[in-house]
Amino acid sequence: AQKVTQAQTEISVVEKEDVTLDCVYETRDTTYYLFWYKQPPSGELVFLIRRNSFDEQNEISGRYSWNFQKSTSSFNFTITASQVVDSAVYFCALSEGSGAGSYQLTFGKGTKLSVIP
Amino acid sequence: NAGVTQTPKFRILKIGQSMTLQCTQDMNHNYMYWYRQDPGMGLKLIYYSVGAGITDKGEVPNGYNVSRSTTEDFPLRLELAAPSQTSVYFCASSLLGTGGAPDEQYFGPGTRLTVT
Repeated sequence: AQKVTQAQTEISVVEKEDVTLDCVYETRDTTYYLFWYKQPPSGELVFLIRRNSFDEQNEISGRYSWNFQKSTSSFNFTITASQVVDSAVYFCALSEGSGAGSYQLTFGKGTKLSVIP
Repeated sequence: NAGVTQTPKFRILKIGQSMTLQCTQDMNHNYMYWYRQDPGMGLKLIYYSVGAGITDKGEVPNGYNVSRSTTEDFPLRLELAAPSQTSVYFCASSLLGTGGAPDEQYFGPGTRLTVT
């Protein structure tokens, strides 16, 4: 069975601080995909990144960066120089990646980030 | 493209009533999903569909039914509403990407349902 753990329920930071959101996953699949989604206070889900299990390169997109480490089954998300607009709930999710599966997403419980001005 | 649309946005049901949550996507995606999100929790899969005429259960299917007669539409039916079904419901769609890899899922804006 697949499982995603986001141990940090809530985090508060002051604007311009860096913050890292942790994500640990469990799966028996050798091919799988990891995702991060953002859910702002308005409630919609916004896709941030998809990473496959064969690509362990870190990725940077503006102030966002992701660190994928298969050895520790982690896919952590760092926001550099946080801004108030980053305040949201962030979800890490896992999808199987082979066969005739549903490719359903298994979500963590989310981390609520509050950026204080 | 409108993406994934859901109606209604809000609904209050009495215990035992029935209703259908509508979901439509205009991206010609083959995969469609229904999730529910309870307070402080991540999303849990209710049902999914890999194409018109094909549906299957997810993690929490009890109390729900679905159908997929067209590529575009994937309605979710609640037959006998119960307080435990109070939740926010999200519909999503995706395309099977290059090499069989799952593409990102596109989510609708959600339906907030209260059963009292």
